Amino acid sequence: DIQMTQSPSSLSASVGDRVTITCRASQSIRTYLNWYQKKPGKAPKLLISAASSLESGVPSQFSGSGSGTDFTLTISSLQPEDYATYYCQQSYSSPYTFGQGTMLEIK
Amino acid sequence: QVQLVESGGGVVQPGRSLRLSCAASGFIFISHGMHWVRQAPGKGLEWVAFISYDGSNKYYGDSVKGRFTISRDNSKNTLDLQMNSLRAEDTAVYYCAKDQQMFTIPGPYGMDVWGQGTTVTVSS
Repeated sequence: DIQMTQSPSSLSASVGDRVTITCRASQSIRTYLNWYQKKPGKAPKLLISAASSLESGVPSQFSGSGSGTDFTLTISSLQPEDYATYYCQQSYSSPYTFGQGTMLEIK
Repeated sequence: QVQLVESGGGVVQPGRSLRLSCAASGFIFISHGMHWVRQAPGKGLEWVAFISYDGSNKYYGDSVKGRFTISRDNSKNTLDLQMNSLRAEDTAVYYCAKDQQMFTIPGPYGMDVWGQGTTVTVSS
């Protein structure tokens, strides 16, 4: 099974800050990497697919990069509505594992 | 509009069974693979199972393999998850989700449509 490891597990940041979350796969997954935003009581929301493709309707302050085993999610300027937990997920091979999540909190 | 609506959650005793359903609308259901994903209280997201567009390929997470069965009825636009031999650690909110890839197993494009979730509690 492919293990997905995110860092950090939690992060405190202020509105307007630039934030980077990393995700590492235990083996190469090419660009089969997706990022989701999860807020309490809400369904997960797909932000970025195929490592760097911004989903329709997702604000442009979100961006993704990487290939192989190392990936990043960047929020260029934090907005109040961005405080949430972020998950990476590999869709390269079953089981289609998620990272453990990164909780983004208000500083 | 594109929508997934889960149902069937509830409280069940350990060792018993429960069947979840997911009703799809607003997209061509037969074209897309479908997933179940769960989130236990205070925990992260856990991928549970996938079924291909035509039902010919089914994959399961290690923690549910042999106990859960995913199925679909393309004539009714519904997805099911039969859960047997339930354990306390199966307690979670269960989401169904649509895979963006068409006519094949999951590709690089993720799960773009999610239901609101249904809660399963396994407790005596």
